[in-house]
Amino acid sequence: RKEVEQDPGPFNVPEGATVAFNCTYSNSASQSFFWYRQDCRKEPKLLMSVYSSGNEDGRFTAQLNRASQYISLLIRDSKLSDSATYLCVVNNFNKFYFGSGTKLNVKP
Amino acid sequence: GAVVSQHPSWVICKSGTSVKIECRSLDFQATTMFWYRQFPKQSLMLMATSNEGSKATYEQGVEKDKFLINHASLTLSTLTVTSAHPEDSSFYICSARAGQARGALYNEQFFGPGTRLTVL
Repeated sequence: RKEVEQDPGPFNVPEGATVAFNCTYSNSASQSFFWYRQDCRKEPKLLMSVYSSGNEDGRFTAQLNRASQYISLLIRDSKLSDSATYLCVVNNFNKFYFGSGTKLNVKP
Repeated sequence: GAVVSQHPSWVICKSGTSVKIECRSLDFQATTMFWYRQFPKQSLMLMATSNEGSKATYEQGVEKDKFLINHASLTLSTLTVTSAHPEDSSFYICSARAGQARGALYNEQFFGPGTRLTVL
């Protein structure tokens, strides 16, 4: 079983839509969680860390459910510039495991 | 935020040659750096963890004699792909753990821009 699993998508949504991604992780002892964004042929960039209590940054909301071992990312009011691949990242004992990414296409 | 640079950004080489890739943390000290490889339409795969002043820790299936890692200072780690072959063609990305970098969470990683290696 993979350490981190994500639906590869693509998710094709119109501008202004709300879209949600989920990610599951296999190791219950995982310590920290992140969402990264990767544009085509570029390096990943940190979008946000995910805290146990959930956290929000503008149009982005991240949630962590330790009991079910999944994290989520909600994007409200999608913009064209949100089109990218979103990577779920889990940290276990100083090793970082990446999901395969979920591709988002925001259409005009 | 913390800045990580990589050099070169792309390289094309003949089969059998060795290629060195540098990863630098520009405005913070990184005791730990990571090397990843990414094939088209796949996720990043961790190759090795590079610790300053000690030997790198390689992931299962990664040949340490083929991918030589040197982390000689707190701001520089190098990856040398020895005797490169076409199947080594990939996007190689390094990252540095933020550690005590100002404004960053301890476990945040900052990525270099990547090096695209093409072996003919």
